Amino acid sequence: DIQMTQSPSSLSASVGDRVTITCRASQSVSSHLNWYQQEPGKVPKLLIYAASSLEIGVPSRFSGSGSGTDFTLTISSLQPQDFATYYCQQSYTAPRTFGQGTKVELK
Amino acid sequence: QVQMLQSGAEVKKSGASVKVSCKASGYTFINYGISWVRQAPGQGLEWMGWISAYSGDTHFAQRFQGRVTLTRDTSTTTAYMELRGLRSDDTAVYYCVREAEIIGVVMMAYWGQGTPVTVSS
Repeated sequence: DIQMTQSPSSLSASVGDRVTITCRASQSVSSHLNWYQQEPGKVPKLLIYAASSLEIGVPSRFSGSGSGTDFTLTISSLQPQDFATYYCQQSYTAPRTFGQGTKVELK
Repeated sequence: QVQMLQSGAEVKKSGASVKVSCKASGYTFINYGISWVRQAPGQGLEWMGWISAYSGDTHFAQRFQGRVTLTRDTSTTTAYMELRGLRSDDTAVYYCVREAEIIGVVMMAYWGQGTPVTVSS
């Protein structure tokens, strides 16, 4: 199985900060990498697919990059509604493994 | 609009089975696969398995192999997940998710509201 490792596991940031979350795959997943946001008590929501394509309706302050084994999710200017947990997931092969999540908290 | 409507909360005893349903609407059911994902309290997301709504073919995460059955009924556009031999660590919210594929990449695009399953001894 492909293991997905996110870092950091949690971070504290302020509104307006630039935030970067990384995701590393144990083997190449090409660009088959998606990012999801889960606000507290809510259902996960697709943010970015194919490593860098923004899902419809997602604000442009979110961006993704990378290919192969190393990927990054960036929030250019953190907003109050962005305090949530973010998960990467590879869909290159089954099982479609998730990273352990990165919780973004208010500093 | 695409909707994935799941059955309600369940409370089960250890060793029992649970069957969760997921009624799909707003799209052509057989054109997309459905994954099942679970989330234990305070924990992350765990992919359990996938079913092709077209053929009924399935793939499972190894840890669930032999304990989970995924089925679908094309006449009612409903998918089902049955988990047997329940243990306390199966206590979780279970999600069905309709996949999408763009430029050859599969993603979990449309999530059900989740079905809480509580396993008690």
